Amino acid sequence: AQKITQTQPGMFVQEKEAVTLDCTYDTSDPSYGLFWYKQPSSGEMIFLIYQGSYDQQNATEGRYSLNFQKARKSANLVISASQLGDSAMYFCAMRGDTGGFKTIFGAGTRLFVKA
Amino acid sequence: NAGVMQNPRHLVRRRGQEARLRCSPMKGHSHVYWYRQLPEEGLKFMVYLQKENIIDESGMPKERFSAEFPKEGPSILRIQQVVRGDSAAYFCASSKLTATNEKLFFGSGTQLSVL
Repeated sequence: AQKITQTQPGMFVQEKEAVTLDCTYDTSDPSYGLFWYKQPSSGEMIFLIYQGSYDQQNATEGRYSLNFQKARKSANLVISASQLGDSAMYFCAMRGDTGGFKTIFGAGTRLFVKA
Repeated sequence: NAGVMQNPRHLVRRRGQEARLRCSPMKGHSHVYWYRQLPEEGLKFMVYLQKENIIDESGMPKERFSAEFPKEGPSILRIQQVVRGDSAAYFCASSKLTATNEKLFFGSGTQLSVL
């Protein structure tokens, strides 16, 4: 069975500093994708970054990068130069090539950016 | 180029009534997913549909809940005889293809409140 684990219910970071949000996963699928989504207080889900299981390089999207360690089954999100607008819930998600291609989500980490 | 449209945004029902939640996927998307989110929790997969077919309903309660995605019109998540425990945010997402690198596009959600 597939599983996503986010062990940090809440994180604080000082504005302009970097922060790492942890995500570990479990799957038996040979091919899978890992995603991070942001959910601000307004409630919408915003896609941030994607990493494929066969990608050789870590994904980057602007201030977001994904620290992918396949052997450890971890896919941590790194946000550089935090901004006040980064305060939100962050969800790690996974989509495998079995199980009907459904995407499963972790419990989320609430990030607080301090001025 | 409209995104995923969900309505209503807020829905209030009394115990025992029926709730009907609608979702129109993005143009060109034929895969629809419904998720449920309780406060401060992650998204729980409910059901995955393609046009006129339920592909995976493993996350949907067997009783009182049903979903459809007809050939014409929006996808409908129907909850019969609602109870207070059904109060949650229900998100719909769509994708164009089924592949591990397909990100989901989310609607704004329907907040269901059962009195």
